[in-house]
Amino acid sequence: KNEVEQSPQNLTAQEGEFITINCSYSVGISALHWLQQHPGGGIVSLFMLSSGKKKHGRLIATINIQEKHSSLHITASHPRDSAVYICAVSTASGSRLTFGEGTQLTVNP
Amino acid sequence: DGGITQSPKYLFRKEGQNVTLSCEQNLNHDAMYWYRQDPGQGLRLIYYSQIVNDFQKGDIAEGYSVSREKKESFPLTVTSAQKNPTAFYLCASRPLERTWDTQYFGPGTRLTVL
Repeated sequence: KNEVEQSPQNLTAQEGEFITINCSYSVGISALHWLQQHPGGGIVSLFMLSSGKKKHGRLIATINIQEKHSSLHITASHPRDSAVYICAVSTASGSRLTFGEGTQLTVNP
Repeated sequence: DGGITQSPKYLFRKEGQNVTLSCEQNLNHDAMYWYRQDPGQGLRLIYYSQIVNDFQKGDIAEGYSVSREKKESFPLTVTSAQKNPTAFYLCASRPLERTWDTQYFGPGTRLTVL
């Protein structure tokens, strides 16, 4: 069993829909990261959080430390949101990240 | 602009040849990382370095080598000992002193072994 599990693996939505991607982890962490990978391959960091909730534009990330679970929400989805979304966790030392397998999101117009 | 550059974007190699992937950053970050990405799998750590002239093996270091002679540069050599080198390789860096900060990724190099 992977230390970081994401669901779903693939997600197709219509433009405007509310989207949720889930991440569960089984190790103690210092922080959880949500990353976005576009078809060209480059990865950008969306959020880094260790408690509560963060919001940036239409993106919202939440984490429940007790349940070892995080969610990434996209409100009013748009075709440009189509990408792979990756959950990763860092441990106390912070020097390494452990990654989930990613969720391929496709938003159709 | 500050950032991480990787070159080349696409690389083709004949079986049995060593090849070196470049990673340069001008972000003044101490820590640098090399990851491998295969379809349907999460990123896996090959090597990482937190200081010049020092580096540690990650989870899949066999068949790879690195050097860290300068803070800005962390080249990865894929040797002929790597059994299945065709993959997408990503370099990243992070400021060690800002423990709350994330990793910053380069654009990646896609290596194909012919």
